[in-house]
Amino acid sequence: QQPVQSPQAVILREGEDAVINCSSSKALYSVHWYRQKHGEAPVFLMILLKGGEQKGHEKISASFNEKKQQSSLYLTASQLSYSGTYFCTGGGADGLTFGKGTHLIIQP
Amino acid sequence: KAGVTQTPRYLIKTRGQQVTLSCSPISGHRSVSWYQQTPGQGLQFLFEYFSETQRNKGNFPGRFSGRQFSNSRSEMNVSTLELGDSALYLCASSLGASGTNEKLFFGSGTQLSVL
Repeated sequence: QQPVQSPQAVILREGEDAVINCSSSKALYSVHWYRQKHGEAPVFLMILLKGGEQKGHEKISASFNEKKQQSSLYLTASQLSYSGTYFCTGGGADGLTFGKGTHLIIQP
Repeated sequence: KAGVTQTPRYLIKTRGQQVTLSCSPISGHRSVSWYQQTPGQGLQFLFEYFSETQRNKGNFPGRFSGRQFSNSRSEMNVSTLELGDSALYLCASSLGASGTNEKLFFGSGTQLSVL
């Protein structure tokens, strides 16, 4: 079962904030986030291993609620370079299953 | 350090043919996973190989198969191609078996078009 991501797409102005949600019906041991720019390979953003854990890198952070099997990715003061498709994936014994992705468009 | 290399970059085949795609992981990485990417479906997991053994398999028909060699290079084969097999095929390598805490490094993919 694929994790479910929301929203499917979002358009922002540069400097605005965005939240991308990811939920799973199966137990997750971890949540991974990747970003794929148009025509490029997906690139790793971060892994969250513990329930309730929050991690961040510059203005991109994420949280993982292990009890609810949910994760959220927070993009603060978005930049043009943040445009792309964001994928969450749940880590477990049977490997990684990716969500369908959230398309993020940042306009100047 | 060289990244993940996939060949060929583009491929055009006709229905009924078979195709073999190749993936060379980052040096030292022992796990290679394959994904099919189509618009609207995201990344669909095909299978994962770790130390020459298939560790996990996704929900794809038996026409999709793969293998991994002793140098960790992997190949994916699709037999009796169908129009619906047209997609970008991505491989990803990781140091250990994918799962809880392994970061994946993706190749640029092979764009397969079936006519």
